[in-house]
Amino acid sequence: GAVVSQHPSRVICKSGTSVKIECRSLDFQATTMFWYRQFPKQSLMLMATSNEGSKATYEQGVEKDKFLINHASLTLSTLTVTSAHPEDSSFYICSARLLTGINYGYTFGSGTRLTVV
Amino acid sequence: GQQLNQSPQSMFIQEGEDVSMNCTSSSIFNTWLWYKQDPGEGPVLLIALYKAGELTSNGRLTAQFGITRKDSFLNISASIPSDVGIYFCAGRADSGTYKYIFGTGTRLKVLA
Repeated sequence: GAVVSQHPSRVICKSGTSVKIECRSLDFQATTMFWYRQFPKQSLMLMATSNEGSKATYEQGVEKDKFLINHASLTLSTLTVTSAHPEDSSFYICSARLLTGINYGYTFGSGTRLTVV
Repeated sequence: GQQLNQSPQSMFIQEGEDVSMNCTSSSIFNTWLWYKQDPGEGPVLLIALYKAGELTSNGRLTAQFGITRKDSFLNISASIPSDVGIYFCAGRADSGTYKYIFGTGTRLKVLA
């Protein structure tokens, strides 16, 4: 089945540094990937839509200069949290759109727990 | 961001009982998905619904796409301890976009 690998699973960084999170589709090509953010005991909030070969589309209120998204290939999208601050600590999850016939499945990565100290 | 209303927020049930939860929206959706999320993991797709009125099963799970296209329901029959987790609905409103909006989640705890 379709697998999305997300790395790292956990990261702790110092305030002011940048962190890169990778999302890979292992056995399929993903023209579109999505990045979500989830606070404890809350739902998933869509941050941005990542399209291969073009600029990402950010949701309202998400700073594109802070959350840099790159989708350089059909199997890899990256999210870089720049100049991280403690309030950026959260669970970040990516998902990839898989084309299956006329319907579209969405597979999630296992998430990245970011802690900024 | 926009969210779907999901109820109940949480529930404790006895093992073997049936569980029902629903998701409602103020706008029409053309696709509904149901996911389960375990702690520290990404959501796993349980059931996908693409047509109003559609009823789809996956083992002990059954989900329905509401006729009004503004709601969806998930039922779990004969619950077992491993059903514990958070269940999210997700809906797609615009056929021109691939974005899904997630529900607020239902936290399920099963008492053995």
